[in-house]
Amino acid sequence: QKEVEQNSGPLSVPEGAIASLNCTYSDRGSQSFFWYRQYSGKSPELIMFIYSNGDKEDGRFTAQLNKASQYVSLLIRDSQPSDSATYLCAAFSGGYNKLIFGAGTRLAVHP
Amino acid sequence: ETGVTQTPRHLVMGMTNKKSLKCEQHLGHNAMYWYKQSAKKPLELMFVYSLEERVENNSVPSRFSPECPNSSHLFLHLHTLQPEDSALYLCASSQDPSGIDQETQYFGPGTRLLVL
Repeated sequence: QKEVEQNSGPLSVPEGAIASLNCTYSDRGSQSFFWYRQYSGKSPELIMFIYSNGDKEDGRFTAQLNKASQYVSLLIRDSQPSDSATYLCAAFSGGYNKLIFGAGTRLAVHP
Repeated sequence: ETGVTQTPRHLVMGMTNKKSLKCEQHLGHNAMYWYKQSAKKPLELMFVYSLEERVENNSVPSRFSPECPNSSHLFLHLHTLQPEDSALYLCASSQDPSGIDQETQYFGPGTRLLVL
């Protein structure tokens, strides 16, 4: 059973701080990893994806991948209240573009 | 219209009703997906269509019946559902039909379904 694990949270951080969201995956054959943000009552929207070991930065967001440890993280710098949402981690394990999603981590950024 | 649209946005149905969910993508993509999202659970992939052919069916009960008449439209026909089928049903699309390349999926707004 291929799985993606996330701490459900809520992760509470003050405005302006760095939020760190973590994800582990079970399938060593996973090729690429996606972070989606989902506001309450809305659909998931892509933040970024990563497929090489190391860091990938996009604005205030940095994705980190460590395939040896089967670990993916998302850092959000200068967190804003508008970043408050559930963050879904997904691993692409091949086969007709099938993504395995984690249950998500709820982030709350308080002023 | 842009992106992926879904109708209806909300649906309440009895266990003996028959209804259909509709999804339309305006992105020129070749693959479309149905997901179920229940509270506090991961997104569950239900069906995948690639170039209008069903390529994945994750042991979904037969009371859910998908239809993909063309690469832009996807339906989910519902009949004799159970209360535990109440969930958010999300449609998504992606470009790559071969499943080889890492490809981003774009989601529609979802249909919030309540089965009484």
